[in-house]
Amino acid sequence: DQQVKQNSPSLSVQEGRISILNCDYTNSMFDYFLWYKKYPAEGPTFLISISSIKDKNEDGRFTVFLNKSAKHLSLHIVPSQPGDSAVYFCAASERGADGLTFGKGTHLIIQP
Amino acid sequence: DVKVTQSSRYLVKRTGEKVFLECVQDMDHENMFWYRQDPGLGLRLIYFSYDVKMKEKGDIPEGYSVSREKKERFSLILESASTNQTSMYLCASSFVRSTFNEQFFGPGTRLTVL
Repeated sequence: DQQVKQNSPSLSVQEGRISILNCDYTNSMFDYFLWYKKYPAEGPTFLISISSIKDKNEDGRFTVFLNKSAKHLSLHIVPSQPGDSAVYFCAASERGADGLTFGKGTHLIIQP
Repeated sequence: DVKVTQSSRYLVKRTGEKVFLECVQDMDHENMFWYRQDPGLGLRLIYFSYDVKMKEKGDIPEGYSVSREKKERFSLILESASTNQTSMYLCASSFVRSTFNEQFFGPGTRLTVL
């Protein structure tokens, strides 16, 4: 059973607009959430994270929002740029655990 | 900067061959992981290791084995390659005391089994 779900396999956004990528989870024991970005033929790279004690974390153009009651998080990219075109993976971990549980990814396409 | 390297970027093997994929990290991380990535299936964990000579099965260990003789090196072995093991293989490592369990990934190995 999928514990981390990214229900949109792909998303197309115009350059300069806001991109919103969504992620839902089912495991209430998850304490930490991360977003990774992956270009073709490269490994994923860490983008931004959030702890369950926060509801927002911002880093430049990237903001992650966490709604614990809804078990939902989202990644906002403002403004979207062509270099943001990539696959974005949502991941979660439990306190004290060693691993991450990944979603299936969302392919973000930024159109000029 | 953390560096995770994988022995090959692209590999083509024949059905039935024994295949070795090697991964090396230079940050003295305790944890190392092997994933495969397939379209529409995301990242699926094959095996992980939290210490030298220690290993744990992930979600899809069938057809694979691993070896960790040194802390910095984690090898994935396909005992008898099959066409359904054609995939992108990703190695990752992490520090055991990392709050967020952030994993650092290598560039990946695109394996094709003919």
